[in-house]
Amino acid sequence: AQTVTQSQPEMSVQEAETVTLSCTYDTSENNYYLFWYKQPPSRQMILVIRQEAYKQQNATENRFSVNFQKAAKSFSLKISDSQLGDTAMYFCAFMNPEGSSNTGKLIFGQGTTLQVKP
Amino acid sequence: GAGVSQSPRYKVTKRGQDVALRCDPISGHVSLYWYRQALGQGPEFLTYFNYEAQQDKSGLPNDRFSAERPEGSISTLTIQRTEQRDSAMYRCASSFHRGSTEAFFGQGTRLTVV
Repeated sequence: AQTVTQSQPEMSVQEAETVTLSCTYDTSENNYYLFWYKQPPSRQMILVIRQEAYKQQNATENRFSVNFQKAAKSFSLKISDSQLGDTAMYFCAFMNPEGSSNTGKLIFGQGTTLQVKP
Repeated sequence: GAGVSQSPRYKVTKRGQDVALRCDPISGHVSLYWYRQALGQGPEFLTYFNYEAQQDKSGLPNDRFSAERPEGSISTLTIQRTEQRDSAMYRCASSFHRGSTEAFFGQGTRLTVV
């Protein structure tokens, strides 16, 4: 069974600085998708960034980028120029691709609470 | 609709009562998922529908939990004989089709069993 582990329950960063959130996962699949979701105090679930395992290039969305290390099964999220609005809980998630028995189902990590300080 | 809509937003119920949680997915979305999220934890998968067919219910914790999506649109998650341990945020998500890599989440229903 696939598992997702986030080993940092809480982190903090000064506004405008850079922070990296860690995520590791376990799977026997070769092709899959990885995601980072943001859950602000409003408790919405907002997709931040996604990575396809067959793509070697790391995904980037504005101030958010990932460091995807497939062999190490590691998928960290880097937030540059942190803003107060980045304060939230961040979840790493795994999805099997179409055609497998777990299609579409997301497996989430335990989450990392990020506090951006002014 | 414009987004995934869940109702009620908050539900407080007494232990032993039945509750029904509703999810109205984005129009045209074929796939619908239910997740449960305990406070301070990540969401955990409960069940999945493709159109009206419940194709995976492996995450339902016991037979007090059931779900349906009779017309392939609105879904209802029912919890019978609620217990305090059922207290959690229940989230619904929909996606355009099975295997779509973008799931859209609703605001969730916060269930409290007293």
